[in-house]
Amino acid sequence: LAKTTQPISMDSYEGQEVNITCSHNNIATNDYITWYQQFPSQGPRFIIQGYKTKVTNEVASLFIPADRKSSTLSLPRVSLSDTAVYYCLVGGDSNYQLIWGAGTKLIIKP
Amino acid sequence: NAGVTQTPKFRILKIGQSMTLQCTQDMNHNYMYWYRQDPGMGLKLIYYSVGAGITDKGEVPNGYNVSRSTTEDFPLRLELAAPSQTSVYFCASTRAETEAFFGQGTRLTVV
Repeated sequence: LAKTTQPISMDSYEGQEVNITCSHNNIATNDYITWYQQFPSQGPRFIIQGYKTKVTNEVASLFIPADRKSSTLSLPRVSLSDTAVYYCLVGGDSNYQLIWGAGTKLIIKP
Repeated sequence: NAGVTQTPKFRILKIGQSMTLQCTQDMNHNYMYWYRQDPGMGLKLIYYSVGAGITDKGEVPNGYNVSRSTTEDFPLRLELAAPSQTSVYFCASTRAETEAFFGQGTRLTVV
């Protein structure tokens, strides 16, 4: 199973762009990279998913280099409500288990 | 479309009691999961299922049991509650290679 490594915590300020990097050195060929956001007392919520290069949706961008051994979640112009824990998961047909790492606790300051 | 529904939302058990946490999804997802999350920690996989009739252990299965008789339902059974099982429990479902949907969680306290 591909193991992921993320910074334990980060902080930033409102209006800034925040980039959270995840390392997944033993990612399998068929694995996708998925990022989730979790607020206290709630279940995780899907943010974005990608396989390679760049993916963008209405809330975030995901950058994946050619070797796919890492990925970067980019949150443009964060607000206080983006304070949450962010998780990077790697998996696909070869990995049904959805094993979660410790995540990155992001704190946005005014 | 209700998504993933967990019941109950809160429960207090006495040591040695048993209970079943219910989880139902209406998205026809094959894969379903049970996690526990202790305060300030990440999610730990208890059991998972890749389809009706198929279940398998995750990272922390001891003290729990599951069944998957239908695609929709994936109940989690605690037979002899212990204080170490005090936690928040989340059920999730997904199709392969797509986003996972989570229930609202069950906050369980064993005293």
